[in-house]
Amino acid sequence: GAVVSQHPSWVICKSGTSVKIECRSLDFQATTMFWYRQFPKQSLMLMATSNEGSKATYEQGVEKDKFLINHASLTLSTLTVTSAHPEDSSFYICSARSQGPPYEQYFGPGTRLTVT
Amino acid sequence: AQKVTQAQTEISVVEKEDVTLDCVYETRDTTYYLFWYKQPPSGELVFLIRRNSFDEQNEISGRYSWNFQKSTSSFNFTITASQVVDSAVYFCALNPLNTGFQKLVFGTGTRLLVSP
Repeated sequence: GAVVSQHPSWVICKSGTSVKIECRSLDFQATTMFWYRQFPKQSLMLMATSNEGSKATYEQGVEKDKFLINHASLTLSTLTVTSAHPEDSSFYICSARSQGPPYEQYFGPGTRLTVT
Repeated sequence: AQKVTQAQTEISVVEKEDVTLDCVYETRDTTYYLFWYKQPPSGELVFLIRRNSFDEQNEISGRYSWNFQKSTSSFNFTITASQVVDSAVYFCALNPLNTGFQKLVFGTGTRLLVSP
């Protein structure tokens, strides 16, 4: 089956610093990847859609200058949380979409970010 | 508008009981996919099933079964003879055509606690 990895699986950073999270599709090419955010005991909230070679599309209310997304290749998308604050602490999950029907999204294992 | 409702926030059962998790969706599309995912405490989303809108056949996979009823816009999930390892949060999700199958709309999730 299709495998998506995320790195790191958890990260602790100090307030004001930036942190980069990588999402890789290991055995398939993904034109489109997605970034989700999940607060404790809540559902997944789509942050942005990342298309290879073009700018990401952000959902309403998501600060694009704070959450920088780069999708430079068909197997890698990165999310950089800039000038992190404690309220950015969350579980970040990426997914990679198959290129044909049924357009299934394969999810990474998630990255737990804690900002101190 | 697309929406997925999982009215049951939390369900507690004793091992070996059967349990049904409800999912009701809203969409104006006639073509869409429905999904169920399991999220154990580790956080990784585990794919359980995908169903397209034209396939109303119920499905059984081991102790899991799914009942898709277009007439009531429901896609319920039943676990037979529940086990402690079934304890997790379960998400129902809708992937409609009018987003180009780009967006997964998640329900709020149902937390299942199975006690020995």
